[in-house]
Amino acid sequence: GAVVSQHPSWVICKSGTSVKIECRSLDFQATTMFWYRQFPKQSLMLMATSNEGSKATYEQGVEKDKFLINHASLTLSTLTVTSAHPEDSSFYICSAKWTSSLLTYTGELFFGEGSRLTVL
Amino acid sequence: GQNIDQPTEMTATEGAIVQINCTYQTSGFNGLFWYQQHAGEAPTFLSYNVLDGLEEKGRFSSFLSRSKGYSYLLLKELQMKDSASYLCAVRDEGTYKYIFGTGTRLKVLA
Repeated sequence: GAVVSQHPSWVICKSGTSVKIECRSLDFQATTMFWYRQFPKQSLMLMATSNEGSKATYEQGVEKDKFLINHASLTLSTLTVTSAHPEDSSFYICSAKWTSSLLTYTGELFFGEGSRLTVL
Repeated sequence: GQNIDQPTEMTATEGAIVQINCTYQTSGFNGLFWYQQHAGEAPTFLSYNVLDGLEEKGRFSSFLSRSKGYSYLLLKELQMKDSASYLCAVRDEGTYKYIFGTGTRLKVLA
């Protein structure tokens, strides 16, 4: 299956600093990637849809100036948490959909390994 | 609005069968997915339904009724490694966004 790699796996930073998380599709081109946030024992909350070559589409309640998303190429999307605060501590997961013409492809999402952010 | 409901927790015994239900109310529908997620890890794809009926994949089966807004995931011959969260997700027809349910934490006991 398609592989999505996310980096870093975990990061600890001081309050007020910015953190960048990378999401790469390793063996396919992803015109669309999705960024999710997950709190402990809760489900995935869609933050934004990242489209290659255009601005990301943010979900209601997600601050676009706080969570900067860049999708500069067909294999890379980045999420930057700006001026991070302790309440931004969470598990961030990216996912991508493989654009395939195969009749057997269901369109399922392929997820990165996730990045656990801890803001002190 | 979008609403996807699942039971919060379930417990079952090794070797048994368990059914995890999912009900949904979404503005559009373009398929329902089940994912497995172990603690601290990313979700992995289990099954997909877009038409009514049962899809079987080894020990896992998934059922869909679009008229009832209902799906279930059936796990047979439970193993300890099946202890995980199971996420139901609906793909929206218009936006192609994937909306996830609350997730069901399954504990398999020896």
